[in-house]
Amino acid sequence: NAGVTQTPKFQVLKTGQSMTLQCAQDMNHNSMYWYRQDPGMGLRLIYYSASEGTTDKGEVPNGYNVSRLNKREFSLRLESAAPSQTSVYFCASNRGADSPLHFGNGTRLTVT
Amino acid sequence: GQQVMQIPQYQHVQEGEDFTTYCNSSTTLSNIQWYKQRPGGHPVFLIQLVKSGEVKKQKRLTFQFGEAKKNSSLHITATQTTDVGTYFCAGQDGNKLVFGAGTILRVKS
Repeated sequence: NAGVTQTPKFQVLKTGQSMTLQCAQDMNHNSMYWYRQDPGMGLRLIYYSASEGTTDKGEVPNGYNVSRLNKREFSLRLESAAPSQTSVYFCASNRGADSPLHFGNGTRLTVT
Repeated sequence: GQQVMQIPQYQHVQEGEDFTTYCNSSTTLSNIQWYKQRPGGHPVFLIQLVKSGEVKKQKRLTFQFGEAKKNSSLHITATQTTDVGTYFCAGQDGNKLVFGAGTILRVKS
């Protein structure tokens, strides 16, 4: 059971470059989420997809876009990376509201 | 929107001492979840509390949900070095979970 798989594990970008973080889950979960984690700030929600075909903004959506490609996959795109987007990014999924989140192993992104 | 506050931010204890982290919400919660993140790892679900006043135990860990469903606590009895990590509470806000900032636990052996 792979669970939630995120790629890449590490990435270094220059300011202004773009990239897409990939996430896939094999648990047939309805909902998927992207969080960022910064020291002392916990996990902040960037975007989420409550079900296939829908996406909604979280607390910190500026500078990001998402695509729910199908039920399994939910990608996060940085169109023009900025140093403020240096962070650890976690993808997560669950069956729906009120059920536990399953997290991927994270992507450590550095923007110089 | 909903805010979840967690204290303390950081706790350093001697092995064998007890540890408690507290979580407070600005609004009434339908449920609260607790997660543990080991250093360098990802958050892992520990437990969910749903009922007012609920108390649940997992070995040395005791979780409580307040009567008003606006606060919660996690208590670890006789900490061990394997308890090291960051403990997060998270409250349900519609379709999404709002996380507290976490409490970092360090254990001196």
